Order: sequence, then C-alpha cells, then structure tokens
Amino acid sequence: AQSVTQLDSQVPVFEEAPVELRCNYSSSVSVYLFWYVQYPNQGLQLLLKYLSGSTLVKGINGFEAEFNKSQTSFHLRKPSVHISDTAEYFCAVSSQGGSEKLVFGKGTKLTVNP
Amino acid sequence: GAGVSQTPSNKVTEKGKYVELRCDPISGHTALYWYRQSLGQGPEFLIYFQGTGAADDSGLPNDRFFAVRPEGSVSTLKIQRTERGDSAVYLCASSLTLAGGPTSNNEQFFGPGTRLTVL
Repeated sequence: AQSVTQLDSQVPVFEEAPVELRCNYSSSVSVYLFWYVQYPNQGLQLLLKYLSGSTLVKGINGFEAEFNKSQTSFHLRKPSVHISDTAEYFCAVSSQGGSEKLVFGKGTKLTVNP
Repeated sequence: GAGVSQTPSNKVTEKGKYVELRCDPISGHTALYWYRQSLGQGPEFLIYFQGTGAADDSGLPNDRFFAVRPEGSVSTLKIQRTERGDSAVYLCASSLTLAGGPTSNNEQFFGPGTRLTVL
C-alpha cells in the first residue's frame, strides 16, 4: 500500500516570492509521482509527473518538482509565484505495475498575496 | 474537445434515499475512475474500470456503493440507503491507459465533480 504526506496544509506567500510545497510518500514498491492543482470550483488538473529518467521534472505554469528516492520526497517548487497560482495542490502516487489508481495527499492550500 | 463531464453538479438528498451519479468520460478513453473527496481531504479512490469491467473496486467503502459501465463509456455510481457520512464531492476521471500497456500515458483527466449532500 502507498501513502502520501503533504506536510503543510496552508502556505501563504507574497507575489513574486519563491515557493516550495512539500510531499513525502511511503511505498513498498516503485511508484509514479504526480502533482495536481485544483482551482476554485474547477476539476483537478495535472501539473507534472515523474515516471522515470531525470529526477527533475518540469511542468506547466513554471512549476517543477524533484524526485528524491532516498528521502522518498517529491517537492514542488516555483521560483516566482503569481496571484493566479492561488489554488489547492495535491501530490499523488500510483504503483508501478499495479492498479492505475492514484493515492492522494490531503492537499496544500497555496495563497498568493499582493 | 470535450472534457470529462459529471451530472448532476449538485445533489441534495435525504438520509436513506438512493442516488445515482453519472460520469461521461473523454471519448475514446478506456479507463475510468471514481474518487471521493471529503471536506479538507484529498481525493480517495473508489473504483477503476478498464472497458466495461471493474478492474479494481477495493476502494468502495461498503456494499451500499456500486458502479457500472455497461458499454465501456458512461459510468454510473450508485449509492443505496445514503448516510450523512456519504456527503462529499464525487470525482470521475478518465485516461487512455490500455490494459497491460505502458503507463506513460497515464494522465487522468478529472471532471468537475458532483457535490452530494445527505441531510
């Protein structure tokens, strides 16, 4: 079984500041890793995913994440945030070779203030 | 093209009633998933269809929950004898994953959800 821990439930930042949203996972098998974003009153949208290869993954809207196997982490970063980045962010895993289901963390609410 | 659609967007029902929630996946997507998102939580997996068959229903909480996908496209999530604890947003997602194939195209596209409130 897999589990995902998002250490911060809320992260407030000022516009143009850098941000890091933390994600740690637990699994007895190899996993794929995902970050999804949920804007108010909208469905989940994929930001980026790690399947294999380079541990630094770049996604949409200037976000990137780094897979660290030894620390079982997949932290999301953006060097300069905008007001429009205000949303809920979810980290998720799925097991390689298993069911396609996603196991999600509880989410981190990012609020970008002017 | 059209994304995943879910109807109704909101459903209010009374405890003990039966409800059906519908999901229209992206055309051509073979895989369909149902998740439930309670307030302040991340989505929790309920059931996964590959074509018409349920490939993994390990997330269904009890036998009051049932889902079908008779023609391999539209899916209906059915909840019998609803309880207040069933109140949540029910999310549907679809993907192009082929059974036994690579998961490199495993992006799940989510619908906007159905908000179920059981009074």
